[in-house]
Amino acid sequence: EAGVAQSPRYKIIEKRQSVAFWCNPISGHATLYWYQQILGQGPKLLIQFQNNGVVDDSQLPKDRFSAERLKGVDSTLKIQPAKLEDSAVYLCASRAVGQAFFGQGTRLTVV
Amino acid sequence: GEDVEQSLFLSVREGDSSVINCTYTDSSSTYLYWYKQEPGAGLQLLTYIFSNMDMKQDQRLTVLLNKKDKHLSLRIADTQTGDSAIYFCAESITAGTALIFGKGTTLSVSS
Repeated sequence: EAGVAQSPRYKIIEKRQSVAFWCNPISGHATLYWYQQILGQGPKLLIQFQNNGVVDDSQLPKDRFSAERLKGVDSTLKIQPAKLEDSAVYLCASRAVGQAFFGQGTRLTVV
Repeated sequence: GEDVEQSLFLSVREGDSSVINCTYTDSSSTYLYWYKQEPGAGLQLLTYIFSNMDMKQDQRLTVLLNKKDKHLSLRIADTQTGDSAIYFCAESITAGTALIFGKGTTLSVSS
């Protein structure tokens, strides 16, 4: 079974620029998460989708972050404009009942 | 509230057993997870346990759950240098809610 695919793996941008991350979940997984992992910390939820609907976006900084999951499959996470404190690894995960699988993540550096 | 706590660091010798501990505060949590993260990599699902179980064993890994004390542990038998990584404990109230992570325990294995 193919895993969760994310791209790009690395991205370096200047502050105030915009950036987008892409995620392709495991086939058939209705639940998709985006997490932010700052260096030295555990992952923190940004947004959860169930199919193409948002279940929880309470921790998403909506003034600069947006996410969508068209057709209930692939998802994109966008940051506009980026701040220095957005430097982190952005992890996508998909879930089937109990098991939640993560992608390799996108390491974002904002300079 | 939901909060997951782990000790930050554990050092063991190759061949010894490692025990990584975790406490959680949400007694409603149904699923409890252990993930492994190697440098520059995403999160690898090691194992998970349902709240109606006390123990789960999978090859060198043993998970113990004490619901009364809200305590979860991961025992790694015959620890190898390849086990050196950060181990994250996570909880999820239901199959439809997000995973809440601890800050991770760094396991260092010396030969």
